[in-house]
Amino acid sequence: AQKVTQAQTEISVVEKEDVTLDCVYETRDTTYYLFWYKQPPSGELVFLIRRNSFDEQNEISGRYSWNFQKSTSSFNFTITASQVVDSAVYFCALSEVGGGGSNYKLTFGKGTLLTVNP
Amino acid sequence: DAGVIQSPRHEVTEMGQEVTLRCKPISGHNSLFWYRQTMMRGLELLIYFNNNVPIDDSGMPEDRFSAKMPNASFSTLKIQPSEPRDSAVYFCASSPPTSGRPALEQYFGPGTRLTVT
Repeated sequence: AQKVTQAQTEISVVEKEDVTLDCVYETRDTTYYLFWYKQPPSGELVFLIRRNSFDEQNEISGRYSWNFQKSTSSFNFTITASQVVDSAVYFCALSEVGGGGSNYKLTFGKGTLLTVNP
Repeated sequence: DAGVIQSPRHEVTEMGQEVTLRCKPISGHNSLFWYRQTMMRGLELLIYFNNNVPIDDSGMPEDRFSAKMPNASFSTLKIQPSEPRDSAVYFCASSPPTSGRPALEQYFGPGTRLTVT
């Protein structure tokens, strides 16, 4: 069975600090997808990034960057120069590709609460 | 384009009452997912539909929970009878067709906060 572990329950930083959120996953499949979602205090879940198991190239989007390492089954998320608006719960998720091309379910980690203090 | 629409946004009901949560997926999306979020258990998938057909309902907690998708633009999650332990935020999400391509991201609605007293 697939599993996603976010060992950091809560992280607190001061504005402008860099912060890395860890994500470790388990799956038996060779083809799978990894995701990060953000849940701000308002409650909605916002999609941030999707990565497939064959693409280990790191990705950067503004202040956000993601480090995917298959060898350690990790998909870590770094926010550079954090801002108060980054305060949210961040979820890592894993999806296996279903048979017949059907969309498949996401397995979420427990989430990491990030608080960025001014 | 409108995102996933859920109603009501908040629901307070008494134990034993029937509760119906509603979801309208993004137009053109063919997969729909119902999740429940609690502090203790995090985000859990309850059931998902592909082309209006339930594919996996193994996450539905018990027979008190049922879900339907009568057409591509509407789904309901019903709890009958409701219990205090059902109190949670219920999210609906949808995703577009895969057409042989890999699984894509799911787009979530704003959620329904259910309180059962």
